[in-house]
Amino acid sequence: AQRVTQPEKLLSVFKGAPVELKCNYSYSGSPELFWYVQYSRQRLQLLLRHISRESIKGFTADLNKGETSFHLKKPFAQEEDSAMYYCALHSGAGSYQLTFGKGTKLSVIP
Amino acid sequence: DSGVTQTPKHLITATGQRVTLRCSPRSGDLSVYWYQQSLDQGLQFLIQYYNGEERAKGNILERFSAQQFPDLHSELNLSSLELGDSALYFCASSVVPGNYNEQFFGPGTRLTVL
Repeated sequence: AQRVTQPEKLLSVFKGAPVELKCNYSYSGSPELFWYVQYSRQRLQLLLRHISRESIKGFTADLNKGETSFHLKKPFAQEEDSAMYYCALHSGAGSYQLTFGKGTKLSVIP
Repeated sequence: DSGVTQTPKHLITATGQRVTLRCSPRSGDLSVYWYQQSLDQGLQFLIQYYNGEERAKGNILERFSAQQFPDLHSELNLSSLELGDSALYFCASSVVPGNYNEQFFGPGTRLTVL
């Protein structure tokens, strides 16, 4: 069975400090990994996915198959980054199910 | 609004009751997904439909059922409600199944079971 673990429920950092939101997964095949963000009183939205290898709003995430991790990083946190972040896994291969982690609430202190 | 819409926004009901949550997908999207977000379980995938047919089932209880109608809107039916069913229920849509790059979420329906 596939599983996504986000070990931190809450992460507080000061503005300008680096941010790393941890995500570990368990899946025997080759998964597709995503990060979603939910700002206060807004809809859940896709932030980035590992296939595209892009940087969105200064965030990047690298899939490390050896460590089965997909940590989300940003070198300098901004107040507007405060939100709930969810890591998700899609196993592909005809499955349409997304498995989410329980989320990490990022609070950026001014 | 051409985005995903959900009604009602809030729903308060009692244990043992039955409710229906409605979702209208984005214009042109054929696939609808339902998710439950609770404090205990986080965000969980419930069920997915494509052009009226069920395509995937996640952690959906037997007390819950869903369907997608010919006009592509979807309804999630929750029956014999329990306190633990209190959660935010999200709907999302995409053009084709599994296209998460183009999956858009609705604002959610907040269900409170008293």
